[in-house]
Amino acid sequence: AAGVIQSPRHLIKEKRETATLKCYPIPRHDTVYWYQQGPGQDPQFLISFYEKMQSDKGSIPDRFSAQQFSDYHSELNMSSLELGDSALYFCASSFYWAQGNTGELFFGEGSRLTVL
Amino acid sequence: GDSVTQMEGPVTLSEEAFLTINCTYTATGYPSLFWYVQYPGEGLQLLLKATKADDKGSNKGFEATYRKETTSFHLEKGSVQVSDSAVYFCALSGGSNYKLTFGKGTLLTVNP
Repeated sequence: AAGVIQSPRHLIKEKRETATLKCYPIPRHDTVYWYQQGPGQDPQFLISFYEKMQSDKGSIPDRFSAQQFSDYHSELNMSSLELGDSALYFCASSFYWAQGNTGELFFGEGSRLTVL
Repeated sequence: GDSVTQMEGPVTLSEEAFLTINCTYTATGYPSLFWYVQYPGEGLQLLLKATKADDKGSNKGFEATYRKETTSFHLEKGSVQVSDSAVYFCALSGGSNYKLTFGKGTLLTVNP
């Protein structure tokens, strides 16, 4: 079965540079969530989109922005990168109107960002 | 707001030992509860879930029961294997957005 695809899997950037992460949800899924997981930390919710509109916002820095496109894929843009942005970034998707939606999210493998 | 508290690790066990990882939660309404597992260098995989009180989720020998009266969802396995070594996250999904809130994670190491 198709899963959530994230790219790139690994990314190395310098401080103050910009990075873009992409997420391709499972076909027919209409909701995308972004999470950030620092070393040894639990995943922290950043932002989510439903039907191409932002549906919720968590601890996302102002330097970050995201959007969901007409084909439902999503991109997370990170500017003025800082050392502390080094983390594993997860994208997850779900079908909001699934019958008996239990809230289960389907996660991608993650994109590991290293800021030097 | 919603929160999840799980026992801090690391937990080190010998193969075939009994495993319990405690998890309690605070949430408004009636959340769904999950255990996710993260193997070294990999992403998050759903291990099991329960959507209402007294439901028991089970998978790969792991079990957890949704206890509304104690707001708990403890993970158990009767006989762990070396291949179970991973980080285990308890999580809840609440609210209309179905956003997941995770606990801090528990690192389990199983020695042969």
